[in-house]
Amino acid sequence: EDQVTQSPEALRLQEGESSSLNCSYTVSGLRGLFWYRQDPGKGPEFLFTLYSAGEEKEKERLKATLTKKESFLHITAPKPEDSATYLCAVQADGDNFNKFYFGSGTKLNVKP
Amino acid sequence: TGVTQTPRHLVMGMTNKKSLKCEQHLGHNAMYWYKQSAKKPLELMFVYSLEERVENNSVPSRFSPECPNSSHLFLHLHTLQPEDSALYLCASSQALVGSLNTEAFFGQGTRLTVV
Repeated sequence: EDQVTQSPEALRLQEGESSSLNCSYTVSGLRGLFWYRQDPGKGPEFLFTLYSAGEEKEKERLKATLTKKESFLHITAPKPEDSATYLCAVQADGDNFNKFYFGSGTKLNVKP
Repeated sequence: TGVTQTPRHLVMGMTNKKSLKCEQHLGHNAMYWYKQSAKKPLELMFVYSLEERVENNSVPSRFSPECPNSSHLFLHLHTLQPEDSALYLCASSQALVGSLNTEAFFGQGTRLTVV
């Protein structure tokens, strides 16, 4: 069964303290892995898509990487405005190509 | 925004009938309803691709989706239970076999409270 597991569930950082969030997945064939940011009471905001192992994408203080079993979202020198829940989702090949499987998210809190 | 949901907040009694509306302006051909409850992953409810329902994830019949065209999606609600209280999210994507850029874009959600 296709699955997505994110860790840690929650992460508290001091401003400027770099860290990484993990997303491990099991799918029959990976079509794409997606990272989203979600603020309280709002819908998820799209950040990155990764398609193949070794691929990397960057946006401001965020960098996403992908291996055959997991993805990392690296946050460099975070700021309080980076506080949010970060969601990972995968899309599988085959008949389920238009389905997205989401993890439970990592709630990030960056203290000034 | 690319995906607009109305209303943003809804309080309804268990005997009421209400509808959630979603509209996308991205030219996508697939639309989704997700349910988000506290501390649980997003639960896929329904998928429409090219206006045909392609997925119904064992959702109770008190939830009834409707997709009149590729830009609009509704979720009709009747005789809901308190445990149906959640954030209901609509999303759209370009779902074509072999294509890239298949990421989903979400609306802001409807916060539903059943009393």
